Amino acid sequence: GENVEQHPSTLSVQEGDSAVIKCTYSDSASNYFPWYKQELGKRPQLIIDIRSNVGEKKDQRIAVTLNKTAKHFSLHITETQPEDSAVYFCAASHTGGFKTIFGAGTRLFVKA
Amino acid sequence: ETGVTQTPRHLVMGMTNKKSLKCEQHLGHNAMYWYKQSAKKPLELMFVYNFKEQTENNSVPSRFSPECPNSSHLFLHLHTLQPEDSALYLCASSQDSGQGSETQYFGPGTRLLVL
Repeated sequence: GENVEQHPSTLSVQEGDSAVIKCTYSDSASNYFPWYKQELGKRPQLIIDIRSNVGEKKDQRIAVTLNKTAKHFSLHITETQPEDSAVYFCAASHTGGFKTIFGAGTRLFVKA
Repeated sequence: ETGVTQTPRHLVMGMTNKKSLKCEQHLGHNAMYWYKQSAKKPLELMFVYNFKEQTENNSVPSRFSPECPNSSHLFLHLHTLQPEDSALYLCASSQDSGQGSETQYFGPGTRLLVL
């Protein structure tokens, strides 16, 4: 069946360093790839998304890249701060479908 | 933070109880979702409603019964649950614009413990 694999499951970085989280999807019809951040005890919230007609999107310290051929997409966080510590989920879905498949999540720790 | 609300926020129930989870969205969206979030597992989609019609039922056991009386309200009726059903149940909503998949907005979740 359709699935999204996410790596690593845990990531620890020093404040100011960059963090990269990678996802692979299986459904070639997928064309929408959101990333959600879930802080401890809170709801998942969208931080950035990308559609299949672009290869990269950036929003301040956060960027997402998409390689449709390889079915890979990645989240890049630069100049990490302690408040970036959270669980990050990637997801994939496609036009006309309401079934969003989520990755298992990456727990990011940013050490001050 | 008040766009999607869920009640109750915490629920403890026995295996023979019947309870209901409620979700309400104030965003004017036309699609609503139930997800189960267990520790160290991906978010599991349970049900999807689009314009009040159920469009997805992700092989969920019949002890979970959804109800969507209108586009703003979604319920999850629980009956004779098992301890392994203990989890965080998240509701979400989105707007189907016809242009493609859209962002889902999540509620705060109901943390359920089945004894």
